[in-house]
Formats: sequence, C-alpha cells, structure tokens
Amino acid sequence: GAVVSQHPSWVICKSGTSVKIECRSLDFQATTMFWYRQFPKQSLMLMATSNEGSKATYEQGVEKDKFLINHASLTLSTLTVTSAHPEDSSFYICSARAVGTYNEQFFGPGTRLTVL
Amino acid sequence: AQTVTQSQPEMSVQEAETVTLSCTYDTSESDYYLFWYKQPPSRQMILVIRQEAYKQQNATENRFSVNFQKAAKSFSLKISDSQLGDAAMYFCAFATSYNTDKLIFGTGTRLQVFP
Repeated sequence: GAVVSQHPSWVICKSGTSVKIECRSLDFQATTMFWYRQFPKQSLMLMATSNEGSKATYEQGVEKDKFLINHASLTLSTLTVTSAHPEDSSFYICSARAVGTYNEQFFGPGTRLTVL
Repeated sequence: AQTVTQSQPEMSVQEAETVTLSCTYDTSESDYYLFWYKQPPSRQMILVIRQEAYKQQNATENRFSVNFQKAAKSFSLKISDSQLGDAAMYFCAFATSYNTDKLIFGTGTRLQVFP
C-alpha cells in the first residue's frame, strides 16, 4: 500500500517551453501533497505544499508563477514548470500524506527534467 | 531555523557487518520528529525509521536502530547485518511537532555494501 507514482519519469524540453509533471497517490487519498527539488548529490528541498481544493503554499524563494501547482483531486497533484530554462533542470520529487495520518510522507520515484 | 547535518558523504560496509551513519541537528524546539530515509538507485525515498523526541527509548525496526541523544542533538542510524540491498543514499530529516509537513533534510550519506 501507499504507492505514489510520478509521470513522466524523465523529460527533456527546449528552453522557453512549459512542462507538466503529475503526481498520483495510487491506493490512498492524499489531502496534502508536497513537491521537492533535488540537485545532483544534494538534499531534497521542499518547494511547496499543496492541499486538495486550495492554493499551494510555496516556500521562501520559490517563484509561484514559475512553478504552478494544482491539486484538483485527492489523488492527483500537478507541477507545471513554466517557461523552463536550463537552470530549472533538476530532479523533482513529490510526496503525499494520506488522509487521517500525520507526519509520514510517501514519496514518488521522481521526475528528471532536463532543459536544453 | 532548524538545520540537519550529515558529516559523512560516503560510508562503506562489508556484507553482514554493522555500520553507523551520523546525523546531528540544530533546533530550539523541544518537541519534534526525526527520520531516516533511504533513497536507493531507483530514487524512490523510503522511510526507514522514525523517532519522536519526547520518547527516550530509541526506535528500532528490524536491523535498523537509532541512537537518539537529545541533549547532544545527535541521531545516528545503525544498520546491523548489512545486506547488499542496503546500498543507497541515506537522508536524515527533521520536522517540528507543530509543522510535521515540513521535512528538513540533511545532505545525505552514500552507503556502499561490499560482498
């Protein structure tokens, strides 16, 4: 149980285009989903927290207009990187917290974004 | 602000042996949670073990145990009877009790297991 998937697993795009990454909780409902960014050989940094049906809460320094987050259902959250640039190339990981639980996040396998 | 420090970028252990990964943290809070996560080559983070700061007893999950020293702000992970499948990046993480959603991660320790 508690499986989180991400799609796509990797994506290459041209500079200036937008890319959408999906995060799904497959066997549970997630009121809260989280988006992290991980640079090579570095730790995970929380970008934003999204709650179903409400606006995402962004961490300091994260551009909300560049990283659009939508959490339209209890099993799906999307991250759209708008007007991507090479410096946005990174590994993006989502996690989800199940309804009725606290302090345990289940992580997706991540999406590697490369912007040319 | 809370910080998490993992001072060992890489560690290695022989199969069946025991290895200890170090983690220290800094916080002014008295109630919080500490975690160890494993990130294998597949990149999917897996929770290994969790410790509540108010509990004096060290958490244990099968071959994994922690040494939680609250006064020293130290939270090390001991892996006993190491297996090849234990090879991965291990991240120590911290969350306050009032905001358990915000995990603060250390920089990770890469563990290699040799047969």
